[in-house]
Amino acid sequence: AQTVTQSQPEMSVQEAETVTLSCTYDTSENNYYLFWYKQPPSRQMILVIRQEAYKQQNATENRFSVNFQKAAKSFSLKISDSQLGDTAMYFCAFMFSRDDKIIFGKGTRLHILP
Amino acid sequence: DSGVTQTPKHLITATGQRVTLRCSPRSGDLSVYWYQQSLDQGLQFLIQYYNGEERAKGNILERFSAQQFPDLHSELNLSSLELGDSALYFCASSVAIGDSGANVLTFGAGSRLTVL
Repeated sequence: AQTVTQSQPEMSVQEAETVTLSCTYDTSENNYYLFWYKQPPSRQMILVIRQEAYKQQNATENRFSVNFQKAAKSFSLKISDSQLGDTAMYFCAFMFSRDDKIIFGKGTRLHILP
Repeated sequence: DSGVTQTPKHLITATGQRVTLRCSPRSGDLSVYWYQQSLDQGLQFLIQYYNGEERAKGNILERFSAQQFPDLHSELNLSSLELGDSALYFCASSVAIGDSGANVLTFGAGSRLTVL
């Protein structure tokens, strides 16, 4: 079975610092998608970034970027110039290209400190 | 507003009761997912429908059932409720499936169920 592991339950960084959240996954498949979702205190789930496994180039969305290491099955999220509004729970998620079941990790609670 | 509408937002009920959670997907989205998030936990995939048909099933209890109607809205039925069923239930929708590329989930705001 596919699993998604987020090894950091909680992290705190100062505003304007850079922070990296870790995610590893386990699959024998070759084609899949990876996502990072953000859940702020409002509990709304918001897509941060996504990566297609067949693309070697790491995805970037403004201050958010990923380090996708396919061989190592690693998909970390880097947040640059962190802002107070980045305080949230961050979930890593995995989806097969042939299957629509999206599996989420248990999340990393990120606190941005003023 | 994400475009995915879930009702009710909050629901308090007693053990043994039955409730129905409703989800209207974003306009044009054919696929609907249901997830359960217990307190401070990750999201557990329950079930997915695509254009009225069940597409994928996760850790959904036998006491729970769901369906997607011809107008594409979906309902999650929870029966014989137990204290442990208290959770935030999310609905999400997407345009299509698989390799179409448009497989990003858009989530609703969730329905918070409290079982007393």
